Amino acid sequence: QVQLQQSGPGLVKPSQTLSLTCAISGDSVSSNSAAWNWIRQSPSRGLEWLGRTYYRSTWYFDYALSVKSRITIKPDTSKNQFSLHLNSVTPGDTAVYYCARGSFSQDSWGQGILVTVSS
Amino acid sequence: ETVLTQSPGTLSLSPGERATLSCRASQSVGGSYLAWYQQKPGQAPRLLIYGVSSRATGIPDRFSGSGSGTDFTLTISRLEPEDFAVYYCQQYDSPSYTFGQGTKLEIK
Repeated sequence: QVQLQQSGPGLVKPSQTLSLTCAISGDSVSSNSAAWNWIRQSPSRGLEWLGRTYYRSTWYFDYALSVKSRITIKPDTSKNQFSLHLNSVTPGDTAVYYCARGSFSQDSWGQGILVTVSS
Repeated sequence: ETVLTQSPGTLSLSPGERATLSCRASQSVGGSYLAWYQQKPGQAPRLLIYGVSSRATGIPDRFSGSGSGTDFTLTISRLEPEDFAVYYCQQYDSPSYTFGQGTKLEIK
């Protein structure tokens, strides 16, 4: 049974970079059948998919157009985890951030972290 | 980008009743990549249905999904107290996903 454990700061200052990590147990970040996603949720935007990474003999990355210029997702095979980096944040990026596994839908989710962007 | 519109926004029913939730897409959903999630306060969404009509692992058979093209339905045949929550539909249109705005199922 896969479990995803998220970590990272709950408060980020405007213009800085939001960084979160998702540690995987029960599966592998370099699995040839899984994809690893970041999704956020806020009252104003609802549930919003941000991006994903997956390994199919090489690494692939897909990002939502709304954040494409600001986002990077990085897999870490040595620690079996993946991370989200969102730069130049504004208060509009305040949300609960989730990591999740799945290619066509998401069957396992992390616990979520509320990230507030404020000075 | 495919927009998903869920209706109604709020559904008030009693335990034991049947619930019918709707999800309409702005364009045809390809590959049957339509999923439903349940979310309770303070929790992450939980996958209920994938591929329009397949139940996820451990999901009771009172939950069922149907539809095609642009119109999809989640049906809960007999509501249990633990079913009162917010429900979201989601579609996958490579390489991105979009979610509906949710239907809140509340106890009448």
